[in-house]
Amino acid sequence: NAGVIQTPRHKVTGKGQEATLWCEPISGHSAVFWYRQTIVQGLEFLTYFRNQAPIDDSGMPKERFSAQMPNQSHSTLKIQSTQPQDSAVYLCASSLLGEQYFGPGTRLTVL
Amino acid sequence: AQKVTQTQTSISVMEKTTVTMDCVYETQDSSYFLFWYKQTASGEIVFLIRQDSYKKENATVGHYSLNFQKPKSSIGLIITATQIEDSAVYFCAMREGVGDNSKLIWGLGTSLVVNP
Repeated sequence: NAGVIQTPRHKVTGKGQEATLWCEPISGHSAVFWYRQTIVQGLEFLTYFRNQAPIDDSGMPKERFSAQMPNQSHSTLKIQSTQPQDSAVYLCASSLLGEQYFGPGTRLTVL
Repeated sequence: AQKVTQTQTSISVMEKTTVTMDCVYETQDSSYFLFWYKQTASGEIVFLIRQDSYKKENATVGHYSLNFQKPKSSIGLIITATQIEDSAVYFCAMREGVGDNSKLIWGLGTSLVVNP
């Protein structure tokens, strides 16, 4: 089992550009989570899907951030008009029986 | 409101000793789940151990064990016979609700340094 896969590992964007982050969960896991990690805020929940359906997006900034899970094998997090404060490590996790297993993260740097 | 607090910012120990990391949590739910994860220097976040609130017995996995004190809303992580490779940041997290899958609420982490 390859574990949770996230691509790209690093992404640098200019202010105002769009960033799309990809996550491939562990095969058979029914839930996919997105978190963001910064030095200041620590680990913050963004959103999650269960069986591809959006369940809770209470952590998502209401503007510019969106997430989708078009099929059971991948989820995307899209940030439109990126701002320097969006710079963070974005982590995807998947879960079957409660424990969440994390991908390596995508480090997003907005210049 | 849900909250997880780790008061120890960093701990330094000698190899082969036992270390305890503290974590207290706040929840209104009668059913909840507590987890410990570690984040290595490479950034990888690894699941270590969990405690379900309805279980009285402390969980143990390998050289990790938990000290679950429900009346104090406390879930301490104990690492015995520490090794150099245990050096990492350790996070305590909580999940509420009856379903198997819902979001984790995280503490800010405790940095552990194991010295030779």
